[in-house]
Amino acid sequence: QVQLQESGPGLVKPSQTVSLTCTVSGASLSGGAVYWSWVRQHPGRGLEWIGHIFYSGNTQYNPSLESRVVISVDTSKNQFALKLNSVTAADTAVYYCARIFGGYDYDQLLYYYYMDVWGKGTTVTVSS
Amino acid sequence: SYDLTQPPSMSVSPGQTASMTCSGDKLGSQFVCWYQQKPGQSPLMVMYQNTKRPSGIPERFSGTKSGNTATLTISGTQSMDEADYYCQAWDSSIALFGGGTKLTVL
Repeated sequence: QVQLQESGPGLVKPSQTVSLTCTVSGASLSGGAVYWSWVRQHPGRGLEWIGHIFYSGNTQYNPSLESRVVISVDTSKNQFALKLNSVTAADTAVYYCARIFGGYDYDQLLYYYYMDVWGKGTTVTVSS
Repeated sequence: SYDLTQPPSMSVSPGQTASMTCSGDKLGSQFVCWYQQKPGQSPLMVMYQNTKRPSGIPERFSGTKSGNTATLTISGTQSMDEADYYCQAWDSSIALFGGGTKLTVL
């Protein structure tokens, strides 16, 4: 059974960098058409995709966050990480890591991707 | 990218059918997923590739898509189905989420 677990500091000061790690168990980061993503949720709000990474290191970021985000992968530890710099109170949120499973549907002639496994989330509060 | 639009809320009586929509300009050429999120919990995928139900998701959950509108239907809604529901699609390699529909069962 694949499980994801986020970890990181709960409290970060404004203008600093928040670093989060997602540890994957029950599956290899480098296994198949799988990507590893970060999603956040501001208090009382909806889900916001931050970005994702392939085990090779290829990344894709939300354009609204791209200038402040770096997602990296450490296959030796079966972990991937998120760094978000220059944080403000607007970055206070629950941060989730999730697995994206992908493939090709030959009937619909379309690629598909879905987030099938999620971590429990970790709360990041930005405050001085 | 484009927006995914969901009604903010809806209510249904136990045992009735709840149908919630998700619309977006490019949905006609994209697969849609649906996620259920209960208070204090992480999202749970309840539908993928428009109409496919993951293992462990009750049969009362079904999905359809027509043109640029996807619909998640819960037949015989139970109190345990009360939750926020988010649709999700892709625009190139960018993941998009709808704003979510809060389903109240009363």
